[in-house]
Amino acid sequence: GQNIDQPTEMTATEGAIVQINCTYQTSGFNGLFWYQQHAGEAPTFLSYNVLDGLEEKGRFSSFLSRSKGYSYLLLKELQMKDSASYLCAVRVPGGGSYIPTFGRGTSLIVHP
Amino acid sequence: EAQVTQNPRYLITVTGKKLTVTCSQNMNHEYMSWYRQDPGLGLRQIYYSMNVEVTDKGDVPEGYKVSRKEKRNFPLILESPSPNQTSLYFCASSLLAGGLGEQFFGPGTRLTVL
Repeated sequence: GQNIDQPTEMTATEGAIVQINCTYQTSGFNGLFWYQQHAGEAPTFLSYNVLDGLEEKGRFSSFLSRSKGYSYLLLKELQMKDSASYLCAVRVPGGGSYIPTFGRGTSLIVHP
Repeated sequence: EAQVTQNPRYLITVTGKKLTVTCSQNMNHEYMSWYRQDPGLGLRQIYYSMNVEVTDKGDVPEGYKVSRKEKRNFPLILESPSPNQTSLYFCASSLLAGGLGEQFFGPGTRLTVL
């Protein structure tokens, strides 16, 4: 089976930096996604990593180490609106190709 | 506007009464999928479709059916709903088969089966 692990919940202070980790043990790998999901809403795409290293996009950065089966999402200058669930998804073999499989998500609470 | 639409958004039904949740995308995407989301369990894939007439089971397909007769539509069918299918359902699509590229999600359908 596929195993994707994330912390269940994290809290942080407005203006701070937070790192959300994702580790995976899967039968194959072809890229890792991060999505943001506000309560009661649909997930929205944040980032995609397929090669090792850091991808930066404004206040959000995502890192991947394929050899360690590890990724993190880094959120800088936290704002109250960043309070949401953050979903890690790994593309694993399926259907003759690769399909995205999600972890259980990390609920981030940002407080003043 | 590029989007994924789902209907209905909210549905309360009774055990055994067949229902269909529609999903449509206007982005000419090949890949479409259905997920259910339950507290503490995250997004779990029900079925996915690589292209027209190509569908496959995800992690939790029991009690569900799908069809992909046209590229834009991917309805989810519950032939005989049961209370354990009470959940929040999301349809999603992405450009290329295999889920390559970001997925665009519909707004969700909150289903309650009594």
